[in-house]
Amino acid sequence: GEEVAQTPKHLVRGEGQKAKLYCAPIKGHSYVFWYQQVLKNEFKFLISFQNENVFDETGMPKERFSAKCLPNSPCSLEIQATKLEDSAVYFCASSPTGAQPQHFGDGTRLSIL
Amino acid sequence: AQSVSQHNHHVILSEAASLELGCNYSYGGTVNLFWYVQYPGQHLQLLLKYFSGDPLVKGIKGFEAEFIKSKFSFNLRKPSVQWSDTAEYFCAVNVRTSGTYKYIFGTGTRLKVLA
Repeated sequence: GEEVAQTPKHLVRGEGQKAKLYCAPIKGHSYVFWYQQVLKNEFKFLISFQNENVFDETGMPKERFSAKCLPNSPCSLEIQATKLEDSAVYFCASSPTGAQPQHFGDGTRLSIL
Repeated sequence: AQSVSQHNHHVILSEAASLELGCNYSYGGTVNLFWYVQYPGQHLQLLLKYFSGDPLVKGIKGFEAEFIKSKFSFNLRKPSVQWSDTAEYFCAVNVRTSGTYKYIFGTGTRLKVLA
């Protein structure tokens, strides 16, 4: 498609539950990026993919966060054993190359109660 | 470590006023520079980009930015703002380091334009 599609728009989970977010990049874009935005502040980089390979995961909290981009499937970001501080808007972006501007999705608002 | 600084966190202007939002980055190598805008309740949209060439770049909606390499700056300008420019503006830098592309975003500047 011509837009980055993120689902769901809103996700509510109790503390300790699992949360899974999805992102379909723009067709033909090889790079996918995940960001976390807490309280409308800065975008914290989490992880990027080049096709199905992890490109840069320096921002990922390794203990509970994981992500995948498998062929012919939306990319996913999964948080195990969620904590209150995981409440944020998670944005996905895609780019045709790593240097080109990123196209952002509408984000998934994750609320941990 | 690379970083992007946006010194103005909140800016309030009246319609027709001129706008300049500051953006400074710290990285000694080649960079690509971007300004994004996030309207209330919406996702980030690209305003303009600089890769090379003329350091004065023009973007959408009358915005422009000037890359000053010696100052590591990429300030955003608009001669006359409108109420509809109320939004959050993010400066971003793309660097290639250790074989990866890294995007670094500034903390954003919240602009409110009074009608």
